[in-house]
Amino acid sequence: QVQLVESGGGVVQPGRSLRLSCAAFEFTFNNYAMHWVRQAPGKGLEWVAVISSDGSHSYYADSVRGRFTISRDNSKGALFLQMSSLRAEDTAVYYCAKNYFGGSGSYSSPLDYWGQGTLVTVSS
Amino acid sequence: EIVLTQSPATLSLSPGERATLSCRASQSISDFLAWYQQKPGQAPRLLIYDTSDRATGIPARFSGSGSGTDFTLTISSLEPEDFAVYYCQQRSKWPLTFGGGTKVEIK
Repeated sequence: QVQLVESGGGVVQPGRSLRLSCAAFEFTFNNYAMHWVRQAPGKGLEWVAVISSDGSHSYYADSVRGRFTISRDNSKGALFLQMSSLRAEDTAVYYCAKNYFGGSGSYSSPLDYWGQGTLVTVSS
Repeated sequence: EIVLTQSPATLSLSPGERATLSCRASQSISDFLAWYQQKPGQAPRLLIYDTSDRATGIPARFSGSGSGTDFTLTISSLEPEDFAVYYCQQRSKWPLTFGGGTKVEIK
């Protein structure tokens, strides 16, 4: 059974940094691009970033580009999101999600498995 | 970026009724549209991808249609577990974007 487990959320002051992790189980991790999607309290879904299956390519939402960095460790089945210069508007539940389509060229895809999310609260 | 507008914001229906949810794109996205269901406190669940293909394990009462800029998710006969928020998502152009959601509530 595919499983994604996020960790690393918490309360952080504006301007500080935080690193989220996502552990992947029961699928061939290095065959799929992976995404981060966030959801502010009571709001809708916002796509944040994607990384290719081999980690060589990534794309970001304008709202986080230059502040967030997505990375992965295929040897450990792990996905990361390094967040810096955090703002109050970054407060959200952050989900990692798996690309439905596999392969090296498939970044743009529906998202078929999601973790349970980790809450990041940016507040002084 | 491509803006997805979902309507209505809230749909009040009874179990057994048919639900029709709309998603309109600000420009043509071909058939690159997916639908998700989200229940309170849970992660989204993929229902439909590429307009009309049901994801694994999704019941046949869920169906999708449309092309270009106008898309529809239909739930043929609402079951109690179908009352939730539904989001559409496009993958035609970066950035990936989601609609604002439609809440299907019990009337």
